[in-house]
Amino acid sequence: DSGVTQTPKHLITATGQRVTLRCSPRSGDLSVYWYQQSLDQGLQFLIQYYNGEERAKGNILERFSAQQFPDLHSELNLSSLELGDSALYFCASSDFSPANYGYTFGSGTRLTVV
Amino acid sequence: QQPVQSPQAVILREGEDAVINCSSSKALYSVHWYRQKHGEAPVFLMILLKGGEQKGHDKISASFNEKKQQSSLYLTASQLSYSGTYFCGTEEQGGSEKLVFGKGTKLTVNP
Repeated sequence: DSGVTQTPKHLITATGQRVTLRCSPRSGDLSVYWYQQSLDQGLQFLIQYYNGEERAKGNILERFSAQQFPDLHSELNLSSLELGDSALYFCASSDFSPANYGYTFGSGTRLTVV
Repeated sequence: QQPVQSPQAVILREGEDAVINCSSSKALYSVHWYRQKHGEAPVFLMILLKGGEQKGHDKISASFNEKKQQSSLYLTASQLSYSGTYFCGTEEQGGSEKLVFGKGTKLTVNP
């Protein structure tokens, strides 16, 4: 157990639907990052939150949105789903202190859009 | 800007050495290395900071050439457990601590 919890582990949904992926960061970590991993694209950065505030945005589609709550957990909302959105979605957290251990990744949510 | 990793894939026999390279066109603050086994999450290996020393633990080490914005991961006397996909993640100077990952290098270690 890495300390980063992602739910659900698997999600199968139809095109056009909306889903919410949830992430609880490792205790004490203020930064949360969302990544999308598909076979041909590697790990694509979507968005970063730091202590509740959006800090950086990557190639996140307008159909996708995220937020980080006061208890530091984060949710990634994906709407109007398309077949191409099928991928593994990882959440990672970090504290980036001098003694940091880099990113800690959760086990991911595998999204299948049918 | 996504860093470029090479080679894309490596096949080794147990006990052989390998080098994986990562280069960026941006001025970097840090380079991270991760290993991901099939169906699992990426696991942090090490971080190299601008101005820092070469890192390493056990038989895996890495270097960071700040002038060339290149990093290399060295795996010596490879073990079966080293198999997986290795990703470098780069953090730009003046950035927000977000990492941009390369496409990965698939390493297979055979008996």
